[in-house]
Amino acid sequence: GQSLEQPSEVTAVEGAIVQINCTYQTSGFYGLSWYQQHDGGAPTFLSYNALDGLEETGRFSSFLSRSDSYGYLLLQELQMKDSASYFCAVENNYGQNFVFGPGTRLSVLP
Amino acid sequence: GAGVSQTPSNKVTEKGKYVELRCDPISGHTALYWYRQSLGQGPEFLIYFQGTGAADDSGLPNDRFFAVRPEGSVSTLKIQRTERGDSAVYLCASSPGTQGAYEQYFGPGTRLTVT
Repeated sequence: GQSLEQPSEVTAVEGAIVQINCTYQTSGFYGLSWYQQHDGGAPTFLSYNALDGLEETGRFSSFLSRSDSYGYLLLQELQMKDSASYFCAVENNYGQNFVFGPGTRLSVLP
Repeated sequence: GAGVSQTPSNKVTEKGKYVELRCDPISGHTALYWYRQSLGQGPEFLIYFQGTGAADDSGLPNDRFFAVRPEGSVSTLKIQRTERGDSAVYLCASSPGTQGAYEQYFGPGTRLTVT
């Protein structure tokens, strides 16, 4: 089978740093993506890792370890608007089949 | 520019009826994906098109579900003999479809309720 695991909920305060982990077991692997989804909204792309290491995009960074089947999303200088659900997604077959995790609901408190 | 659009935004239908959900991808995007999302869960892959052809339909749950993309642009997801368990938000996403273009652009979704 195919499965991705993420913590269901994370809470942090404004200005803090939070890490959302994702572990995966899939039949194939080409890359790991992260998406943000606000309540009632569409998922929006945050980052993508195909190779091991850290990718940084502004306040958000994403890390991948293919040998450990593990990745994380790091959010720095948290803002209230970062309160949302965050999904990791494995590109299971090149460009074709994406398997999403169950999502992590992030609550940012003042 | 225009993003991915989906119509209708909401659809309420009775059990056993047929429904069609439409997706207009970003112009020029050759890759198109359908997902469905239940409350509190991640998007569940249904089908992927590259151009006009369904390159991967392994996520379609059964033969009541069918999708087409006849001209390589607009796509329609068709559900026959709807069941209450089909109730979910159906999301469409598109991407350029070229190597290295891994970002998917999602539409706002169609909320399907089967009564």
